[in-house]
Amino acid sequence: GIQVEQSPPDLILQEGANSTLRCNFSDSVNNLQWFHQNPWGQLINLFYIPSGTKQNGRLSATTVATERYSLLYISSSQTTDSGVYFCAAAPWESARQLTFGSGTQLTVLP
Amino acid sequence: DTAVSQTPKYLVTQMGNDKSIKCEQNLGHDTMYWYKQDSKKFLKIMFSYNNKELIINETVPNRFSPKSPDKAHLNLHINSLELGDSAVYFCASSRAPPRDSTQYFGPGTRLTVL
Repeated sequence: GIQVEQSPPDLILQEGANSTLRCNFSDSVNNLQWFHQNPWGQLINLFYIPSGTKQNGRLSATTVATERYSLLYISSSQTTDSGVYFCAAAPWESARQLTFGSGTQLTVLP
Repeated sequence: DTAVSQTPKYLVTQMGNDKSIKCEQNLGHDTMYWYKQDSKKFLKIMFSYNNKELIINETVPNRFSPKSPDKAHLNLHINSLELGDSAVYFCASSRAPPRDSTQYFGPGTRLTVL
């Protein structure tokens, strides 16, 4: 099956800093999503982005499908951005079957 | 309005018992999922249903049995619970590909087996 690798595994930032999270995947994808799991355990979908670039407020994401990676940018980070960020991908032949990466644990300090 | 809801939120039980977790979505989606998140926060898909039909059935012990009475509901029944079943179980739903198949997750059910 598809392999999904995320980096870095841990990231500590001061409030106001910017960051880039990376997701590499091993096969062509038909489905790629970014999620944020907050400290209370809730999983929130940030982007559905199998290709191209999207922006939502201080967050943006870019997927370069031909090179098999996706990036999540967080600008002007806030303490509420803390949590785990997951990338998940599914191949063309099974677009619903998301494989999750192991996540990036982000801590934003006040 | 809660989009994807699960009950119960917490479940503490003894080894060997049978338990069920219920999930409902009011988003009008065709596809629903069960995921398991272990203590290291690793998320893995277990099952998926599309319009009440099982479409994804990962390598999961057959003590786990999903049931979808209609496309808005997906339940998970677990027989003969074991210590290793302790985890957080998430339900999710989405539209069917090739449309935007963003997955929306429920709040999770934390299962503790003693």
